[in-house]
Amino acid sequence: DTAVSQTPKYLVTQMGNDKSIKCEQNLGHDTMYWYKQDSKKFLKIMFSYNNKELIINETVPNRFSPKSPDKAHLNLHINSLELGDSAVYFCASSHTGLGTEAFFGQGTRLTVV
Amino acid sequence: ILNVEQSPQSLHVQEGDSTNFTCSFPSSNFYALHWYRWETAKSPEALFVMTLNGDEKKKGRISATLNTKEGYSYLYIKGSQPEDSATYLCAFFPNTGNQFYFGTGTSLTVIP
Repeated sequence: DTAVSQTPKYLVTQMGNDKSIKCEQNLGHDTMYWYKQDSKKFLKIMFSYNNKELIINETVPNRFSPKSPDKAHLNLHINSLELGDSAVYFCASSHTGLGTEAFFGQGTRLTVV
Repeated sequence: ILNVEQSPQSLHVQEGDSTNFTCSFPSSNFYALHWYRWETAKSPEALFVMTLNGDEKKKGRISATLNTKEGYSYLYIKGSQPEDSATYLCAFFPNTGNQFYFGTGTSLTVIP
């Protein structure tokens, strides 16, 4: 039973389209995150969200928006996709109040053509 | 955005060699420091969660130390094996927020 699951695993789409990547966790964690793996394979925080607070990395374009229907889900919606959005996106979750480790999804490889 | 740095960025060692690398983080507002192992085409997995100054953690041939006063942690691998090849990430968790700040990672390649 996968702890943090992302769908789809691969996404190929054209420039200008709007797309969503879904993330679900069944660990009962209170905080979920989205990370982008850049071209140098660095993990950069995009958003962190719990039921109290959304923290947005100010470098993230506002075409990216997180949507959380409930505590177990944090979906990433991207408007007007650009070539530079091509990357691997990772969802993660944790119990932030305890400082315990984050659990990651398997990643979504987004290719914009 | 807090600055978490790791060095070296990449490392090639021979099988059997021991190696270590560094994670530097802000020494103020410390809450926790994590080490993750990230294999190619997989997702990062936690190795250690460290919360106390002077903490030493060990898992098999891999161990880590923590100095919160000076803001660094070392990861050691004894007798490296090819299966240790991966990127090792550290993540700093401050007591003032609710997110992890990842370092840039150290890419380790163990040559058979």
